Amino acid sequence: GAVVSQHPSWVICKSGTSVKIECRSLDFQATTMFWYRQFPKQSLMLMATSNEGSKATYEQGVEKDKFLINHASLTLSTLTVTSAHPEDSSFYICSAPTGRHSPLHFGNGTRLTVT
Amino acid sequence: GQQLNQSPQSMFIQEGEDVSMNCTSSSIFNTWLWYKQDPGEGPVLLIALYKAGELTSNGRLTAQFGITRKDSFLNISASIPSDVGIYFCAGLKDISGNTPLVFGKGTRLSVIA
Repeated sequence: GAVVSQHPSWVICKSGTSVKIECRSLDFQATTMFWYRQFPKQSLMLMATSNEGSKATYEQGVEKDKFLINHASLTLSTLTVTSAHPEDSSFYICSAPTGRHSPLHFGNGTRLTVT
Repeated sequence: GQQLNQSPQSMFIQEGEDVSMNCTSSSIFNTWLWYKQDPGEGPVLLIALYKAGELTSNGRLTAQFGITRKDSFLNISASIPSDVGIYFCAGLKDISGNTPLVFGKGTRLSVIA
């Protein structure tokens, strides 16, 4: 069964509004979670590393004030896309390691469409 | 960010044929992973490789971790229509699992019945 749960699966919002995406680890604790973005017919690109109890680490070119990440507990990380624009429309996917030598498992992704 | 060199980019094969795809890197990875992604879903882990030279099978899938730790391949034998999808290789440098994956660009597989 799924070890990482992501919600919502899809969301449509108007330009200028904010959208929150949740990523939960099921049956295990994750001090670290990763957020990726995937544009059509492209690979997954890392946006940021979410660290429980501390600030997220953002990849170069990713605006931290636009993509707010909060990792308030050992089982939940949230990504908030603030003041969304049509170019933010994408597939957002989170992942979490289940432990040492354990491969990363992914959520089912969130399809964001900004109109 | 860094990406792995994955080839081929796409493949069109007849049902029943075998498939082979590979990934290379200019740097060493301590773990190699292969994922399959269906449209609108997150990647699903197929095979994980932890040791250089390791050869691992999962049903009709076989993958190997290159001796140099800079490459890996995935073979699919006797392909079936449900094998259609995008296959991604991914590498991990830190075996603790607390570092992100580096992905290849994907191989889009189409199976003709």
